[in-house]
Amino acid sequence: AQSVTQLDSQVPVFEEAPVELRCNYSSSVSVYLFWYVQYPNQGLQLLLKYLSGSTLVKGINGFEAEFNKSQTSFHLRKPSVHISDTAEYFCAVRGYGGSGGGADGLTFGKGTHLIIQP
Amino acid sequence: DTGVSQNPRHKITKRGQNVTFRCDPISEHNRLYWYRQTLGQGPEFLTYFQNEAQLEKSRLLSDRFSAERPKGSFSTLEIQRTEQGDSAMYLCASSLAQRAGELFFGEGSRLTVL
Repeated sequence: AQSVTQLDSQVPVFEEAPVELRCNYSSSVSVYLFWYVQYPNQGLQLLLKYLSGSTLVKGINGFEAEFNKSQTSFHLRKPSVHISDTAEYFCAVRGYGGSGGGADGLTFGKGTHLIIQP
Repeated sequence: DTGVSQNPRHKITKRGQNVTFRCDPISEHNRLYWYRQTLGQGPEFLTYFQNEAQLEKSRLLSDRFSAERPKGSFSTLEIQRTEQGDSAMYLCASSLAQRAGELFFGEGSRLTVL
């Protein structure tokens, strides 16, 4: 089974400042990693994913994330945020190559609320 | 709109009543997932289908919950004898099997049990 820890429930940041949202995971098998975003009153949408290859992945809206296997982390970053980035951000993991509950479903973290201050 | 559609968006019911939610996935997607989300938590996996076959169920899915996808298209999630602890947002998502993990979510159905 897998688990995801998002250490920060809420991150306030000023507009145009950089931001990093932290995500750590635990798994006994290899993993695929994802970040989803949920804007107010909307469904979750995929922001970016790591499946294999380059550990630095780029997503929509200027976000990027880096997979660090030794630290079991997949932190999300953006160099300059905008008011429109205000949303809930969820890190998710899917294991592969082994057995376990929810192996084909995603395991989500509790989410980080990104608050952009003008 | 060709996204994932969920109905009803809101449901208020009394404890002990049965409720049913419907999900219409993206038409070419063969996988359909149900998740539950409570306040301050991330989505929790409940079950998923590949075409009409229910391939996996979470331990969270008690006997009062049943999900179907009779023709491999839309799906229903029924909760019998609702309890206050069932109050949550029920999310549906769909994907292509070869791109599992890349889920497209609906806006959810919010259940309030009084």
